[in-house]
Amino acid sequence: GQNIDQPTEMTATEGAIVQINCTYQTSGFNGLFWYQQHAGEAPTFLSYNVLDGLEEKGRFSSFLSRSKGYSYLLLKELQMKDSASYLCAVMDSNYQLIWGAGTKLIIKP
Amino acid sequence: NAGVTQTPKFRILKIGQSMTLQCTQDMNHNYMYWYRQDPGMGLKLIYYSVGAGITDKGEVPNGYNVSRSTTEDFPLRLELAAPSQTSVYFCASSTLWTSGSPGELFFGEGSRLTVL
Repeated sequence: GQNIDQPTEMTATEGAIVQINCTYQTSGFNGLFWYQQHAGEAPTFLSYNVLDGLEEKGRFSSFLSRSKGYSYLLLKELQMKDSASYLCAVMDSNYQLIWGAGTKLIIKP
Repeated sequence: NAGVTQTPKFRILKIGQSMTLQCTQDMNHNYMYWYRQDPGMGLKLIYYSVGAGITDKGEVPNGYNVSRSTTEDFPLRLELAAPSQTSVYFCASSTLWTSGSPGELFFGEGSRLTVL
């Protein structure tokens, strides 16, 4: 079966760095997406990786290793507004998105 | 620029009632989707459409129906509502990237449905 695993919850301190991991087992691979979802709101797109390596976008970076079925989202200089759930999703061989359950990130002052 | 608009935002239904969740997008996206999101669970695909006149079942289609008569609109119909359909529903749309892959999803604000 197809499966996406990510930690349920993480806590970090304002100003620090946090890494949210995502491992996947899917039927084929056509890219991995990260979305941010604030409580009570819709998900919004953060990043897309289809090739191995690191993609940097401001304070957020996303890494992919296709051979290991692994990705992480790195958030630097954490701000209180980064408190949200972070959703990992993999596009399989049929271009269908398989979603993880999300990681709730709590930022403490 | 409105993006993806879905209505209503909240609704309480009685068991056995029917209703339609409306979804409209103004970005001329070919791909449209309906997801449900339950606490602690990932987004589950109900139905999707790759263009006007074409719809396909997703992972959890039972109890739902859709239509896609225009590029802009993708309503979701709930027939004979059941407590198991209590959830938050998201409509989303995406364009096709030059790579041939559906691109990032643009989501509506969500519809919180309770069936009692």
